[in-house]
Amino acid sequence: QVQLQESGPGLVKPSETLSLTCSVSGGSMSSSYWSWIRQTPGKGLEWIGYIYYSGSANYNPSLRSRVTISVDRSKNQFSLKVRSVTAADTAVYFCARDTGTNWFDPWGQGTLVIVSS
Amino acid sequence: QSVLTQPPSVSGAPGQRVTISCTGSSSNIGAGYDVHWYQQLPGTAPKLLIHGNSNRPSGVPDRFSGSKSGTSASLAITGLQAEDEADYYCQSYDNSLRVRVFGAGTKVTVL
Repeated sequence: QVQLQESGPGLVKPSETLSLTCSVSGGSMSSSYWSWIRQTPGKGLEWIGYIYYSGSANYNPSLRSRVTISVDRSKNQFSLKVRSVTAADTAVYFCARDTGTNWFDPWGQGTLVIVSS
Repeated sequence: QSVLTQPPSVSGAPGQRVTISCTGSSSNIGAGYDVHWYQQLPGTAPKLLIHGNSNRPSGVPDRFSGSKSGTSASLAITGLQAEDEADYYCQSYDNSLRVRVFGAGTKVTVL
């Protein structure tokens, strides 16, 4: 079955860019949507955005100005970039397969990113 | 403050039945959008438990059931087991915010 694994730096300085990659194994990325979701103690679970395997993306309006999600079909990976980060971007970041309009399944194990100088 | 409201915690003895409510509004659950439920065990990622209001993915015990009515949805766990101790989240779509939204989560404690 499909499995997802996040990777990237666990510490990012304020005002810099957070970059994470999600590697998809056990299946093809074709004909699916792929999302990033983050979790904080204060705001809970927050959908960041998704990318379709063809490359079209959709973002949470609250984050759209700072976020880019891209896909590398040759590597079976998709990536997240969050620009101009602040402490409020400190969170556990999950990648997940997305039905597009409904639920998320499965999820990666998550990776903690701390924004601090 | 979450768009979908869940009780912070519920508890029950082994074997009992507990329910978790998820209350929304006319821009999400009340607008007819489906509700989905996730279970998050300590230190792990959320796992899909119920999709489309009441559908269990393969492998999810039939002790878990979901329902939806009006602007609310519920998750029921019957025959509560120690392994059910976890956080549970509801999720839907909000057409005012134009995003998928989650509840703040409910911690289930097995006494």
